[in-house]
Amino acid sequence: TQLLEQSPQFLSIQEGENLTVYCNSSSVFSSLQWYRQEPGEGPVLLVTVVTGGEVKKLKRLTFQFGDARKDSSLHITAAQPGDTGLYLCAGGYFGNEKLTFGTGTRLTIIP
Amino acid sequence: DAGITQSPRHKVTETGTPVTLRCHQTENHRYMYWYRQDPGHGLRLIHYSYGVKDTDKGEVSDGYSVSRSKTEDFLLTLESATSSQTSVYFCAIRPTGGREKLFFGSGTQLSVL
Repeated sequence: TQLLEQSPQFLSIQEGENLTVYCNSSSVFSSLQWYRQEPGEGPVLLVTVVTGGEVKKLKRLTFQFGDARKDSSLHITAAQPGDTGLYLCAGGYFGNEKLTFGTGTRLTIIP
Repeated sequence: DAGITQSPRHKVTETGTPVTLRCHQTENHRYMYWYRQDPGHGLRLIHYSYGVKDTDKGEVSDGYSVSRSKTEDFLLTLESATSSQTSVYFCAIRPTGGREKLFFGSGTQLSVL
């Protein structure tokens, strides 16, 4: 059973456009993380959000944790080719050492 | 750089043969994890370790075993490889106090023919 659903699965947009990708679950998580993965490499942590409604910004990337801590979104402003990659969300439960990963959104930014 | 090295980076093997993948860390972190990544399934946890000789199963542990005799090394063994175990395998570590933060190695591409 996949607990974390990411959408869209694939997204291809022009450089300079804005985009939002989503991570949804029926479960409540104590924390939600976003990773970016490039071909041939392991995922790299971008951000961790832990409070319902929390918003974090990382340059042109804005991450939001839903009020009920069941969902999250990643918004990219003025996308650049360097943003291309596989974006993964992962949910954690406090006191549990395991993370549950979503299936990912594969983002391609066209120059 | 979290100091994680996976070996080998690529391996091709035949069905029924045993295979061992190695994960080596240089930072003496307590928690280490093995994940597999497959299209349409994302990353799925195979096994993890919370100390020397302390391991536990993940969601897809059937057909896999692990060992951790030293803090720095976490081995994943496929006792008798099957084609369904063709995948990319990632090792990850969680720094002490780094709640739910994982740092991943570069992966091992395993093909079972």
